[in-house]
Amino acid sequence: ILNVEQSPQSLHVQEGDSTNFTCSFPSSNFYALHWYRWETAKSPEALFVMTLNGDEKKKGRISATLNTKEGYSYLYIKGSQPEDSATYLCACVNFGNEKLTFGTGTRLTIIP
Amino acid sequence: EPEVTQTPSHQVTQMGQEVILRCVPISNHLYFYWYRQILGQKVEFLVSFYNNEISEKSEIFDDQFSVERPDGSNFTLKIRSTKLEDSAMYFCASSTQPYNEQFFGPGTRLTVL
Repeated sequence: ILNVEQSPQSLHVQEGDSTNFTCSFPSSNFYALHWYRWETAKSPEALFVMTLNGDEKKKGRISATLNTKEGYSYLYIKGSQPEDSATYLCACVNFGNEKLTFGTGTRLTIIP
Repeated sequence: EPEVTQTPSHQVTQMGQEVILRCVPISNHLYFYWYRQILGQKVEFLVSFYNNEISEKSEIFDDQFSVERPDGSNFTLKIRSTKLEDSAMYFCASSTQPYNEQFFGPGTRLTVL
C-alpha cells in the first residue's frame, strides 16, 4: 500500500509571510508527484506535476521541489495572500498504474 | 477555459437505492477517473477508464459500482444499492494521457440515509 503523508495538517500564516509544507512518499517505484490546490466548493486545481529528482517548478508566488531519492516534496508560498487560503493536496503516482494516491492535505489559512 | 463538470452537486438517497453520478470530462481527454473522499479521510481512487473499458480499479470498486461512457460526452458512476458508508464526496477527473495532470470536477456530495 502506497502511503503518502503531508505535514502539517493545518497551518495559519500571517498575510505577507512566506510558508512551506511537506509531502512524503515511498521512493521505490516512484513515477510522479502532483500538487493540487483545493478551495472549498471548487474543483481541485492542478499546480505542478514533477517527475525528476531535483525538479523545481514555479507558478507565480508558489513553487515546489522534489527529492525522489529520499521521498519528499516541499511546496513554498512566498508573501502569502488571503486568496492562498485553501487545502493543498499532494498525490503520488507509481510506475505501472495511473491512479493518484493522495495525502491528507495541508489546510492553509492566511490571516489578514 | 475547458473544465470538468459534475451533476448533481448534492444527492441524497435512501440506503439500498441506486444512484447515478454524472460527469462531463474535458472534450479532448481520453482518460477518465473517479475518486471519492469520505469526510475526514484522504481522497481515494476508485476507477480509471480508457477506450470504453476499465483500466484499473481499487478494492473499493466492487460489484455494486459500475462506470459507463454512454455517449461521446458523459461519464457516469453507478452505485446499485447504496450503503451508509458510501456517503462521500465523489470526484470525476480526466486527462489527455495516463500519468499526466488530471483535471478534476467540483464533486458530487452523496448522502446515504
